[in-house]
Amino acid sequence: GENVEQHPSTLSVQEGDSAVIKCTYSDSASNYFPWYKQELGKRPQLIIDIRSNVGEKKDQRIAVTLNKTAKHFSLHITETQPEDSAVYFCAAIGNNQGGKLIFGQGTELSVKP
Amino acid sequence: EPEVTQTPSHQVTQMGQEVILRCVPISNHLYFYWYRQILGQKVEFLVSFYNNEISEKSEIFDDQFSVERPDGSNFTLKIRSTKLEDSAMYFCASSDRVSNEKLFFGSGTQLSVL
Repeated sequence: GENVEQHPSTLSVQEGDSAVIKCTYSDSASNYFPWYKQELGKRPQLIIDIRSNVGEKKDQRIAVTLNKTAKHFSLHITETQPEDSAVYFCAAIGNNQGGKLIFGQGTELSVKP
Repeated sequence: EPEVTQTPSHQVTQMGQEVILRCVPISNHLYFYWYRQILGQKVEFLVSFYNNEISEKSEIFDDQFSVERPDGSNFTLKIRSTKLEDSAMYFCASSDRVSNEKLFFGSGTQLSVL
């Protein structure tokens, strides 16, 4: 089955710097890759997603890139702000797997003012 | 903005007891899910539910687990005889027919089995 690896487990940046979180997946049939942000004690919230027919997607300060050949995808946050501090999870869904998200281990991002 | 709601937020139970975790998915959603997250570990898929039946389940979802949609709004997860290792945060999620991969999560139920 699908396996998703996420790095780094913790990331500390200065306010205004960029942050990059990387994930790899194992199942070449996976075709949907969401990113979730989870603040302490709150629900995971979908912040951006990408499908396998697209190489890059951007939404304001957040972008996701996908390399299908290498089976990895990355989250890029530019001009980080303290409110970006949270745990970020990547995930993947295989073809015809409905909502069976396979999550990465999470990255705890800390943005220092 | 509509949200998935879960109750209770915390549940403490004795080993061997039955627990029922409750969820109210977003009203026009048709796909429902349970996930769990053991402290310090990744979020894990348990089960998906569509059209009043289980569509997929993981190895974790053994005979001690069951799900039900008892009425038009609630979606429940029952653990028949809890074990210590069932202690985790349990998340309910739902998605709609158009984009069934976009999951919206509830805020979770923290289950502690003593």
